[in-house]
Amino acid sequence: NAGVTQTPKFQVLKTGQSMTLQCAQDMNHEYMSWYRQDPGMGLRLIHYSVGAGITDQGEVPNGYNVSRSTTEDFPLRLLSAAPSQTSVYFCASSQGQGLSYEQYFGPGTRLTVT
Amino acid sequence: DAKTTQPTSMDCAEGRAANLPCNHSTISGNEYVYWYRQIHSQGPQYIIHGLKNNETNEMASLIITEDRKSSTLILPHATLRDTAVYYCIVYSLGKSTFGDGTTLTVKP
Repeated sequence: NAGVTQTPKFQVLKTGQSMTLQCAQDMNHEYMSWYRQDPGMGLRLIHYSVGAGITDQGEVPNGYNVSRSTTEDFPLRLLSAAPSQTSVYFCASSQGQGLSYEQYFGPGTRLTVT
Repeated sequence: DAKTTQPTSMDCAEGRAANLPCNHSTISGNEYVYWYRQIHSQGPQYIIHGLKNNETNEMASLIITEDRKSSTLILPHATLRDTAVYYCIVYSLGKSTFGDGTTLTVKP
């Protein structure tokens, strides 16, 4: 199993550009989440999904969209990038309700918005 | 959503036990306590979790108070490789809230 994979590893955007951060897992996990981590701070939940077709907002959803059309993939879209979105983005997955909630994290995408 | 409070930083001597406290006074009955650690800028790594009983695995022990309002993560014999940021989180229905964690520095 590859676990949780994220692409790209690094990205530089100009203000106003849009892009999609990719996240995929091959463990058949129901739950998937996106977090951002600013320098020196903890992780903050952006959006999460408890199954295909179901998504919900976390603490800091503004400026981001998600969709979950398959169990494996959970892309994060930046609609119009702003310098405040410069951060490291982590995707995570876990089995789901009634099972283990242990989250497996991807390696992260380091995004810089100029 | 339940919030957690942890000390900003702690030091521990190599070979000694590291005891990391966490306060989660607003936790509800069906919410689990999870501990993760993050080394450098890698993705967080799962350590242990519990609901109300104390738990132990090959990495650590988790002690949860009877009222479930606080917990302590114990690394029994800390090594230099245990230097990391440790996060205590409360997890429910796919949603978890990370605080800023405790930076544990293990010193020779």
